[in-house]
Amino acid sequence: QKEVEQDPGPLSVPEGAIVSLNCTYSNSAFQYFMWYRQYSRKGPELLMYTYSSGNKEDGRFTAQVDKSSKYISLFIRDSQPSDSATYLCAMSSQGAQKLVFGQGTRLTINP
Amino acid sequence: DAGVTQSPTHLIKTRGQHVTLRCSPISGHKSVSWYQQVLGQGPQFIFQYYEKEERGRGNFPDRFSARQFPNYSSELNVNALLLGDSALYLCASSLLTAGGTDTQYFGPGTRLTVL
Repeated sequence: QKEVEQDPGPLSVPEGAIVSLNCTYSNSAFQYFMWYRQYSRKGPELLMYTYSSGNKEDGRFTAQVDKSSKYISLFIRDSQPSDSATYLCAMSSQGAQKLVFGQGTRLTINP
Repeated sequence: DAGVTQSPTHLIKTRGQHVTLRCSPISGHKSVSWYQQVLGQGPQFIFQYYEKEERGRGNFPDRFSARQFPNYSSELNVNALLLGDSALYLCASSLLTAGGTDTQYFGPGTRLTVL
């Protein structure tokens, strides 16, 4: 069983839709949760960084963490074609030297 | 400010050869991590270096090695290349705060193709 599970998609939605991306994890030691966006043939770009359970909002993006269920989500409101990319969840434990990534979800926003 | 830079952008090698990839971190960042991303998968941790010392190592064979220089730049070396080493190699830099868990910022990667 992988430490972090993420539906690879692909996911295709119309412009303006609300997008929900999810990851589950098995390691209860994970305390730090991140979402990265990766455009084709580029490096991952940090979108959101959260520590505790609950919601964190940044513009059109909301990150949600539920540690009791070992489940994290990223919501994108008013999705735009420029949001088309692969979204990677990543997490780490206290003092850890590495990020553990999900497989990535490939998202396409259709105009 | 410049972000994380990596060189070369692309590289083609044949089986059995060795390769050296280079990374320059964000100014002020003292930690560099290396990740391997195979097509269609998430990045996998290879190494982390801080102040020229190895702080962590992932589940990769000894053919993989790295080092960090006094200016905090880093090299990743891979010997005896295999077809399965074909991947995007990503470098990430971070401040590595006292808490030990830090925000990592990635470079554009080096795409390695092994024929």
